[in-house]
Amino acid sequence: NAGVTQTPKFRILKIGQSMTLQCTQDMNHNYMYWYRQDPGMGLKLIYYSVGAGITDKGEVPNGYNVSRSTTEDFPLRLELAAPSQTSVYFCASSRLNNEQFFGPGTRLTVL
Amino acid sequence: AQSVAQPEDQVNVAEGNPLTVKCTYSVSGNPYLFWYVQYPNRGLQFLLKYITGDNLVKGSYGFEAEFNKSQTSFHLKKPSALVSDSALYFCAVRDKGGNTPLVFGKGTRLSVIA
Repeated sequence: NAGVTQTPKFRILKIGQSMTLQCTQDMNHNYMYWYRQDPGMGLKLIYYSVGAGITDKGEVPNGYNVSRSTTEDFPLRLELAAPSQTSVYFCASSRLNNEQFFGPGTRLTVL
Repeated sequence: AQSVAQPEDQVNVAEGNPLTVKCTYSVSGNPYLFWYVQYPNRGLQFLLKYITGDNLVKGSYGFEAEFNKSQTSFHLKKPSALVSDSALYFCAVRDKGGNTPLVFGKGTRLSVIA
């Protein structure tokens, strides 16, 4: 199993550009999550999904959108990039009540 | 609401000495508790979890954690630290009775000095 994969690994965006961060898991997990990690701030939950077709907001959803059309994929969309969205983004998946498995992360810089 | 606190931003320990990384939590019901480790430029890796049963939980790489309900704590421990244990450690909690995602602490940076 590849586990949780994320693409791209790195990306530089200009202010106002848009992009999609891809996340795929091959463990047949129902639950998937998107976090951002800022230096010294730990992890903040952006959005999560409890199954295909169901998504919910986390702690910091503004400026982001998600969709979950399949069990495997959970893309994160940034519509109008802002410098405040410079961060490292992690996708994770889990079964209910079990540990989360994390992807390697996407380092995003908005200039 | 659920929350978790890691009161130390940084813990320094000499190689071979025991280490403790502290975590306290708050949930309305009973907790599920987790520890994760993050090495530089990597995602988080699962170390151990407490769901139910024995209060002392053993995990990967020789780490263990003790669930203390009266003190609402779940401190991470290792009897003998290695330089390779140097990393960022995260505690996480969720309420057993709910369906909400894990809440993570801010992380504690562990430095093991040779």
